[in-house]
Amino acid sequence: ETGVTQSPTHLIKTRGQQVTLRCSSQSGHNTVSWYQQALGQGPQFIFQYYREEENGRGNFPPRFSGLQFPNYSSELNVNALELDDSALYLCASSWGLNSPLHFGNGTRLTVT
Amino acid sequence: AQSVTQLGSHVSVSEGALVLLRCNYSSSVPPYLFWYVQYPNQGLQLLLKYTSAATLVKGINGFEAEFKKSETSFHLTKPSAHMSDAAEYFCAVSDLEGGSEKLVFGKGTKLTVNP
Repeated sequence: ETGVTQSPTHLIKTRGQQVTLRCSSQSGHNTVSWYQQALGQGPQFIFQYYREEENGRGNFPPRFSGLQFPNYSSELNVNALELDDSALYLCASSWGLNSPLHFGNGTRLTVT
Repeated sequence: AQSVTQLGSHVSVSEGALVLLRCNYSSSVPPYLFWYVQYPNQGLQLLLKYTSAATLVKGINGFEAEFKKSETSFHLTKPSAHMSDAAEYFCAVSDLEGGSEKLVFGKGTKLTVNP
């Protein structure tokens, strides 16, 4: 059973640029959630995708957007990067709602 | 909205000593509660989950947590700490607001185990 994989593991971008982070969900999982974990903080919910549709969003601006593909993999896109976007971005997959989340190891984004 | 508070951002214990990590929740309905562990440069691993089936929940690696509604607490314990338990621990509550299930995490407690 393949777990949740995220790419890239590390990324450095300049303020104002755009970034795409990728996530392959665990085999058999149809739900993907994205979380942002700033340094020294707990993860914060960005949004969730269920069967290719956005199924809930946290308190993040529209420049944070996402996609889920037919194979249930997912992308997180962030436009107009700001310094405060520097964080660990975690992807988690699950089988439907109300089932345990399986997290990937995250992508560490640094915005300079 | 649901929330959790973890008391103590850092906890230090000796190897073999009791581990107690504190978590209090705020929830308007019976909650689902979780403890996750995060090792350096890794994602989150589920330790245990409370879903109202039993107030004492046993998890992996010898950890357990007790749900106390009267105290709105869900503290994590382990009788005897091991060096490999050194990590950051997050308490979380499930929030179904808005139709999606999201986890609301505390700020975490970093556990140090001294030899």
